[in-house]
Amino acid sequence: KQEVTQIPAALSVPEGENLVLNCSFTDSAIYNLQWFRQDPGKGLTSLLLIQSSQREQTSGRLNASLDKSSGRSTLYIAASQPGDSATYLCAVSNQGGKLIFGQGTELSVKP
Amino acid sequence: GAVVSQHPSRVICKSGTSVKIECRSLDFQATTMFWYRQFPKKSLMLMATSNEGSKATYEQGVEKDKFLINHASLTLSTLTVTSAHPEDSSFYICSASRLAGGLVRTDTQYFGPGTRLTVL
Repeated sequence: KQEVTQIPAALSVPEGENLVLNCSFTDSAIYNLQWFRQDPGKGLTSLLLIQSSQREQTSGRLNASLDKSSGRSTLYIAASQPGDSATYLCAVSNQGGKLIFGQGTELSVKP
Repeated sequence: GAVVSQHPSRVICKSGTSVKIECRSLDFQATTMFWYRQFPKKSLMLMATSNEGSKATYEQGVEKDKFLINHASLTLSTLTVTSAHPEDSSFYICSASRLAGGLVRTDTQYFGPGTRLTVL
């Protein structure tokens, strides 16, 4: 049974810092991995999607990496801003499209 | 493109009543819609997968008679929480993935804004 774990559960950093969020999964037979952002009381916004054959994806200040064999992904946020404060969720999918989510990392960026 | 809406955004109901939540894909046709439940400070848990025109597939531990799912068209799925109890209070989120063709990706689920259900 696939399990997804995110570390740390919460993170507080001063504005301008670069930071890394970690995601690990137990079954390497994944179709893709996604990183999402969730603001309090809101739905999910997809940030980056990495196919199983890819090693990384970049969008602006965000970079996500994937090491399928070791069951790990990282989300790197450069030059963090207070507007980046949110919960970041990692999810893996199988070919049927089912998403298995981690429990999220709650990020707070202090001005 | 790829907008998914949910209605209502929040609902409060009395114990024992039924509540219907709608999930609509506004600008694309969704072959598959997913329903998730999220407890405070917790992750999303997949409840069921629904394909247009067929019965939903429920995850282990989810009561199908309690959580009725209907996917009557390519743009609408509904989740009805029957005989709601306080323990059903939660944040319910739907997502939709599309048919092949067009600008909307087939390998991505597009999420609705969620519905906050409170059962008194």
